[in-house]
Amino acid sequence: EAQVTQNPRYLITVTGKKLTVTCSQNMNHEYMSWYRQDPGLGLRQIYYSMNVEVTDKGDVPEGYKVSRKEKRNFPLILESPSPNQTSLYFCASSQSAGDSYEQYFGPGTRLTVT
Amino acid sequence: RKEVEQDPGPFNVPEGATVAFNCTYSNSASQSFFWYRQDCRKEPKLLMSVYSSGNEDGRFTAQLNRASQYISLLIRDSKLSDSATYLCVVNRNNRLAFGKGNQVVVIP
Repeated sequence: EAQVTQNPRYLITVTGKKLTVTCSQNMNHEYMSWYRQDPGLGLRQIYYSMNVEVTDKGDVPEGYKVSRKEKRNFPLILESPSPNQTSLYFCASSQSAGDSYEQYFGPGTRLTVT
Repeated sequence: RKEVEQDPGPFNVPEGATVAFNCTYSNSASQSFFWYRQDCRKEPKLLMSVYSSGNEDGRFTAQLNRASQYISLLIRDSKLSDSATYLCVVNRNNRLAFGKGNQVVVIP
């Protein structure tokens, strides 16, 4: 089954404790990205990757890191999480970045930083 | 001005009625446009792409007006299962911008 998986689905952590949210897709997609969704703000793009070893900042990259060592995986790293990073995070992938390619979203990771 | 703007609603729609809403975008260089549907904090899913000539998929019709920089979505014969948030999405230079969504509640 074609899908995007994220782990963990739910995470409660404390300020400053490094964490990684994994994202994996099995569709051989080139383009992957991370979003956060907050009430009243909608979905905002954090980072995106056009292909292996190619990553770029989205609209809200501060406090996050990503890597794309393999085509299928695109982990999101929070080196020192803070309470303002409490949010619902979605990973997404698509065949390519442009035109009418559909974005496939993972199920989301609900992160709480205390 | 926000890059993509939508009136969040909610839009309370009687079952069987027609509902329409617009989304405006600020970047005239935007290249492609989409409507996504999101159910109650679940992942968004593509509803339809929006083409310059307009397009229709069953009860759903999408239009693009580049001159006025807006896209629209019309839902005919609303079903209870149409209750969701509809996200307007704009692609500019390989980056996607999402609107906050139009929340639709179909009432029996």
